[in-house]
Amino acid sequence: SYVLTQPPSVSVAPGQTARITCGGNNIGSKSVHWYQQKPGQAPVLVVYDDSDRPSGIPERFSGSNSGNTATLTISRVEAGDEADYYCQVWDSSSDHQVFGGGTKLTVL
Amino acid sequence: QVQLVQSGAEVKKPGASVKVSCKASGYTFTGYYMHWVRQAPGQGLEWMGRINPNSGGTNYAQKFQGRVTMTRDTSISTAYMELSRLRSDDTAVYYCARDHPVAGTSLFDYWGQGTLVTVSS
Repeated sequence: SYVLTQPPSVSVAPGQTARITCGGNNIGSKSVHWYQQKPGQAPVLVVYDDSDRPSGIPERFSGSNSGNTATLTISRVEAGDEADYYCQVWDSSSDHQVFGGGTKLTVL
Repeated sequence: QVQLVQSGAEVKKPGASVKVSCKASGYTFTGYYMHWVRQAPGQGLEWMGRINPNSGGTNYAQKFQGRVTMTRDTSISTAYMELSRLRSDDTAVYYCARDHPVAGTSLFDYWGQGTLVTVSS
């Protein structure tokens, strides 16, 4: 089955740029989606189809995907961005959904 | 507006079954697949499977094959997830999530509030 690998944690100072990676075999050939989850809340979609943003998501959230790595970039990080972030793809070979293990973003 | 409202928390003994409901509103229930995702305490998201509310067709993650059953009642726009032969490691928050089809992929655009299922003797 397809596996997505994320770093367990990323730390960044307020105002700086956070980059969260999601690794997978030839992930660049798939569409990657990113979710933000704050404690005690359901996940929220922040980036879909590699780099598109749902309405209501700040432009500070962006994404890219190439080769074996997809990246969620959060510019001008704010305290409110502190959360867990998950990448997700649809594995067409099995028609199954796959999540990465999640990355805890800490704003210093 | 789209809303997914799940049933309340459950406490079950090992070996029992649990059935969680997810009532949809604000859209055409039969027009979108519904997925179930769970999250054990302090752990990540785990996809369990999905149901096509129109046909009733299902697709389950291999890990849950034989223990999970997803059904729906279109008359009340509600999806159900039943997990049997519960074990302590099934203790988790269970979410329903609506599928949003995008060309060549699928993702989850709306989520229920989650249902905590605790398995304890």
